Amino acid sequence: IAGITQAPTSQILAAGRRMTLRCTQDMRHNAMYWYRQDLGLGLRLIHYSNTAGTTGKGEVPDGYSVSRANTDDFPLTLASAVPSQTSVYFCASSPGRGGNTEAFFGQGTRLTVV
Amino acid sequence: GQNIDQPTEMTATEGAIVQINCTYQTSGFNGLFWYQQHAGEAPTFLSYNVLDGLEEKGRFSSFLSRSKGYSYLLLKELQMKDSASYLCAVRDSNYQLIWGAGTKLIIKP
Repeated sequence: IAGITQAPTSQILAAGRRMTLRCTQDMRHNAMYWYRQDLGLGLRLIHYSNTAGTTGKGEVPDGYSVSRANTDDFPLTLASAVPSQTSVYFCASSPGRGGNTEAFFGQGTRLTVV
Repeated sequence: GQNIDQPTEMTATEGAIVQINCTYQTSGFNGLFWYQQHAGEAPTFLSYNVLDGLEEKGRFSSFLSRSKGYSYLLLKELQMKDSASYLCAVRDSNYQLIWGAGTKLIIKP
């Protein structure tokens, strides 16, 4: 089934540990995004990639890094996790940036930093 | 700053009609999206507006007024499965999506 897959679905992580959230899409979409969703707040963009080989910072990039070595994969790394990074993380992709290019979302990763 | 405002929560009755409003102030405008998100699940696309007016898609319609920075999502013939959060998002001049916090819609029998 075509779509976008995230792993793990949930994780409890000790503060100070390093963690990589994985995201893979098989739709050959150019653009990919990482969002965090916190109660009472809208989805906030962490990092994005408009095409393989390029990345950019979103609204809340501090403490996170990404890479886009190929079209399909867009991992998000927390170098040294802190409790404020407890959140639900969504990876998304879209064919491009303009027009009626809806974003498709993965099922999310629920991360708890203790 | 950029801002998307939606009501936090709304309640409606099964079979009725409900209108969820969204007002926005963004740096530029390149389209407005509505997404549905059931609890514990990912957002899924509902509608897209870039020109003023009404876009109808089955039981759901979305309206846009760019001059007023305003949109609404209209849901007709409400069903229990429509209980979800509805997210309004605007694509700004940098082609990034700015998201509202979402409106939790509760449907009562």
